[in-house]
Amino acid sequence: QVQLVESGGGVVQPGTSLRLSCAASGFTFNTYAMHWVRQAPGKGLEWVGLISYDGSNKDYADSVKGRFTISRDNSKNTLSLQMNSLRPEDTAMYYCARSLYSNTWYGGPPPSWGQGTLVTVSS
Amino acid sequence: DIVMTQSPDSLAVPLGERAIINCKSSQSVSYSSNNKNYLAWYRQKPGQPPELLIYWASTRESGVPDRFSGSGSGTDFTLTISSLQAEDVAVYYCQQYYSSPLTFGGGTKVEIK
Repeated sequence: QVQLVESGGGVVQPGTSLRLSCAASGFTFNTYAMHWVRQAPGKGLEWVGLISYDGSNKDYADSVKGRFTISRDNSKNTLSLQMNSLRPEDTAMYYCARSLYSNTWYGGPPPSWGQGTLVTVSS
Repeated sequence: DIVMTQSPDSLAVPLGERAIINCKSSQSVSYSSNNKNYLAWYRQKPGQPPELLIYWASTRESGVPDRFSGSGSGTDFTLTISSLQAEDVAVYYCQQYYSSPLTFGGGTKVEIK
């Protein structure tokens, strides 16, 4: 079955960088667009961004545009989120999620989610 | 950006009774070219990631119990739980995937009365 395992979270100071990873298994990774979604403690869900199945297209929320970069390594079935210039408001659980449909740009809403990795930005 | 507004913020329903959650988008999330509504519903149980329940406003995801149903079009949508079960205690979110950025509603907390 589909399995997504995030890693790389931790406590970091404002202005620093952090790289999250998501290891995917149980499906043909290189045919699905992948999302990052975050959730601040006790708050709702916020879409962070998306990368197409082949990595050629990316889209980001305005709140992270220019600071965060999504990438993928289809040879290693791995999704990444490079986060630079971190701010306290980036504190959240970060989830990776697989899109519903294969071989399409956005691929519809994600039915498969990882358990998340917690990022805390604090001095 | 399309703003998604859910109501109520919370509701308490007796076991076995019906729960209804509303979601309104600030603009239509329906494409006339394919007559599809780009609206999804999720359930998030405490301490768990979200689960996709409904997409295209009314299509149940595989494995989702038939007590969950979605309806609506354009800007107004509803999630109905026909007979609330203990495992349905959760926060429910709507999401539009019509245009970027994808946006979620603020969530509706469902509890047992």
